[in-house]
Amino acid sequence: DQQVKQNSPSLSVQEGRISILNCDYTNSMFDYFLWYKKYPAEGPTFLISISSIKDKNEDGRFTVFLNKSAKHLSLHIVPSQPGDSAVYFCAASAGGGTSYGKLTFGQGTILTVHP
Amino acid sequence: GAGVSQSPSNKVTEKGKDVELRCDPISGHTALYWYRQSLGQGLEFLIYFQGNSAPDKSGLPSDRFSAERTGGSVSTLTIQRTQQEDSAVYLCASSFIAGGAKNIQYFGAGTRLSVL
Repeated sequence: DQQVKQNSPSLSVQEGRISILNCDYTNSMFDYFLWYKKYPAEGPTFLISISSIKDKNEDGRFTVFLNKSAKHLSLHIVPSQPGDSAVYFCAASAGGGTSYGKLTFGQGTILTVHP
Repeated sequence: GAGVSQSPSNKVTEKGKDVELRCDPISGHTALYWYRQSLGQGLEFLIYFQGNSAPDKSGLPSDRFSAERTGGSVSTLTIQRTQQEDSAVYLCASSFIAGGAKNIQYFGAGTRLSVL
């Protein structure tokens, strides 16, 4: 049962344009969402997060949007740069209980930004 | 070092052997997590520790897998009688505390386990 899904395995974008990465979830108990970026042979690196009480969080070129009714979130990167090329993972956590610390990850989307 | 440290970085073993993977979290982080990533898959949760206790072990695939954490710091993930399907990258992460807005997990580079 895939509770967090990233339906696009890959995305290719021209430098300077917007990159939009999408993520859907099924568990209504999720109350905190994060995006991680991963380069080959390295561990994932935290990028940006959003609480379920918000619908938008912005940090520089990165903005995360949350639509709770649709159980959908997206990561916007504007403008995209070649150094942004990496695998992007969406992750979610549910408040309360013994699973409080556990992150559930999507399968990842490979972003390629062409110069 | 300032980050999460994992050792070894690569491990090749024969089917049926036991392996131990080590994780050194960021100093001061009370929560520690183990995940694994199989080829072409996302990260799969295995177990997490708050201090030395493990509130959630639900992701451990079988009783061949176990983990412990001592002194609220270093953790060891042990896989007994390894099978080929255990081949994956095993990632460790730590956070200030478990859960909520402070649950930003910082990851190590992982241990790539290959079972022949």
